[in-house]
Amino acid sequence: NAGVTQTPKFQVLKTGQSMTLQCAQDMNHNSMYWYRQDPGMGLRLIYYSASEGTTDKGEVPNGYNVSRLNKREFSLRLESAAPSQTSVYFCASAPLDGSLSNEQFFGPGTRLTVL
Amino acid sequence: AQTVTQSQPEMSVQEAETVTLSCTYDTSENNYYLFWYKQPPSRQMILVIRQEAYKQQNATENRFSVNFQKAAKSFSLKISDSQLGDTAMYFCAFMKVRAQKLVFGQGTRLTINP
Repeated sequence: NAGVTQTPKFQVLKTGQSMTLQCAQDMNHNSMYWYRQDPGMGLRLIYYSASEGTTDKGEVPNGYNVSRLNKREFSLRLESAAPSQTSVYFCASAPLDGSLSNEQFFGPGTRLTVL
Repeated sequence: AQTVTQSQPEMSVQEAETVTLSCTYDTSENNYYLFWYKQPPSRQMILVIRQEAYKQQNATENRFSVNFQKAAKSFSLKISDSQLGDTAMYFCAFMKVRAQKLVFGQGTRLTINP
């Protein structure tokens, strides 16, 4: 199993450009998440999807859109990139199968720089 | 809203020493989970240890153990016999039971020196 995969690993954009970060998981997990990591601030939740066809805002959703394409894939789109969106982006997934524990499994991250 | 605070931005110890990383949190919930994640230079987030709030016994995983003080809302991580491979950022995180959102602390950068 590959676990959680993200593409690309690195990306440089100019202000105003758009791009989509891709995430896929092969663990048959129900829920998926997008986080951003900034120095000194830990990881903050951007959006999440409890199941195919549903999405909800997290702590810092402004400037982003998401699509839960199917159970495996959850994409994050920046419509008009801004320097404030320079960050490392992590995708994660979790079973959310009714068990008490809901451990999240993380992808390797995408380092995005907006000039 | 829940908050998680890690008051030690950086720590450094010698190989084979024991080190303790601090974490405090604020919540009105009675049932929840606490986690410690490790992020080595590769950037990969790796779950180190998990504690269920309803369990009084502190969780242990090999050289890693926690000191969970529910009344004080404190959740520290102890690494025994530290190894060079333990060098990483360590994040404390909180989750309500059956919830979907992890709330992370700011992280502690731990360096193990040879």
